[in-house]
Amino acid sequence: TQLLEQSPQFLSIQEGENLTVYCNSSSVFSSLQWYRQEPGEGPVLLVTVVTGGEVKKLKRLTFQFGDARKDSSLHITAAQPGDTGLYLCAGGRNYGQNFVFGPGTRLSVLP
Amino acid sequence: NAGVTQTPKFQVLKTGQSMTLQCAQDMNHNSMYWYRQDPGMGLRLIYYSASEGTTDKGEVPNGYNVSRLNKREFSLRLESAAPSQTSVYFCASSEALSRTGYEQFFGPGTRLTVL
Repeated sequence: TQLLEQSPQFLSIQEGENLTVYCNSSSVFSSLQWYRQEPGEGPVLLVTVVTGGEVKKLKRLTFQFGDARKDSSLHITAAQPGDTGLYLCAGGRNYGQNFVFGPGTRLSVLP
Repeated sequence: NAGVTQTPKFQVLKTGQSMTLQCAQDMNHNSMYWYRQDPGMGLRLIYYSASEGTTDKGEVPNGYNVSRLNKREFSLRLESAAPSQTSVYFCASSEALSRTGYEQFFGPGTRLTVL
């Protein structure tokens, strides 16, 4: 049983479309991170959110941490082929000292 | 500044063989981690080290041992490899941004196949 669930598992969209991916849990986390991973490489951190209700923007990406610190969403506006990759969320435990990862959302943006 | 480096990049073992995966970071981070990544499972924590001289079990520690050699290096050892240990292994290091926020940096991974 996954402590963190992500949906959808796969997403294929056309360039220019908007999308939202979700990360959900029944557990409370001290922080929530989003990573993007490209084939053959390690995950790269996109953002860390630590406060319930927090919203962070990174260019066309908007991240939100749920009020209860159990869930998060990632919204991409006007997706581009360069956004293609595996998006992973990770919940921080033990005051953020270690993390549990979700299974990921594999995004494909077609030109 | 190389970040997190891992060796080897690829390895094929036969069942029962042993090997050590090496990891080093040059960011002066206190915490280091070993994860394995399997299709549809995300990353699962094997062991972590909050500081030099300490190690703790993660979610899937069975069949593995670790050594935090110094602040820079954290190795993962498979004493008797099994086909179930076929996976991609990632090392990461982190430093606290605050009491609740740690930022992790990952290495490029080691792709291990056990026949």
